[in-house]
Amino acid sequence: GQSLEQPSEVTAVEGAIVQINCTYQTSGFYGLSWYQQHDGGAPTFLSYNALDGLEETGRFSSFLSRSDSYGYLLLQELQMKDSASYFCAVHRDDKIIFGKGTRLHILP
Amino acid sequence: EAQVTQNPRYLITVTGKKLTVTCSQNMNHEYMSWYRQDPGLGLRQIYYSMNVEVTDKGDVPEGYKVSRKEKRNFPLILESPSPNQTSLYFCASSLSGLAGGPHYEQYFGPGTRLTVT
Repeated sequence: GQSLEQPSEVTAVEGAIVQINCTYQTSGFYGLSWYQQHDGGAPTFLSYNALDGLEETGRFSSFLSRSDSYGYLLLQELQMKDSASYFCAVHRDDKIIFGKGTRLHILP
Repeated sequence: EAQVTQNPRYLITVTGKKLTVTCSQNMNHEYMSWYRQDPGLGLRQIYYSMNVEVTDKGDVPEGYKVSRKEKRNFPLILESPSPNQTSLYFCASSLSGLAGGPHYEQYFGPGTRLTVT
């Protein structure tokens, strides 16, 4: 089967750096996406990795290693508004499979 | 404003009463998809459509139907809703398919909270 594993919750301090990991058991996928979802809101796209390596978009970076079946989202200079749930997702053919999400708590 | 709209936003219904949740996008996107979100389970894909008259099953299609007669609209139909279909539903669209193309970013609608009693 296909599955993605993420920590259910992560806590970090405002201004710090946090890494949210995503491990997967699937093969033959095109890329790994990350989405952010605030409470009561819709998911919004953050980042996509088609190739191994690091993709940087402002304070957010995402990494993919296909050989290790592993990816992560790195959030720098954390702000209170970053408190949200974060989902990784693999693109397999034209389907998309999401992880169960990581709830990020930020302490002042 | 570029957006994906869903209606209704909230719906309470009874078992077996057919319902339709509408989804519309104004971005001329080819790819549209429906998801359900349940606590602890993340987002699960129900159906998707690559273009007009082209639809395919996602991971949890049982109990749902879709149609894509126009590029902008992708309604989700529950012919005989059951309580286990109580969930938060999201429609999403992207410029093209998700399989390796450059347009992998999906835009989500605001969600429809459905309760089936």
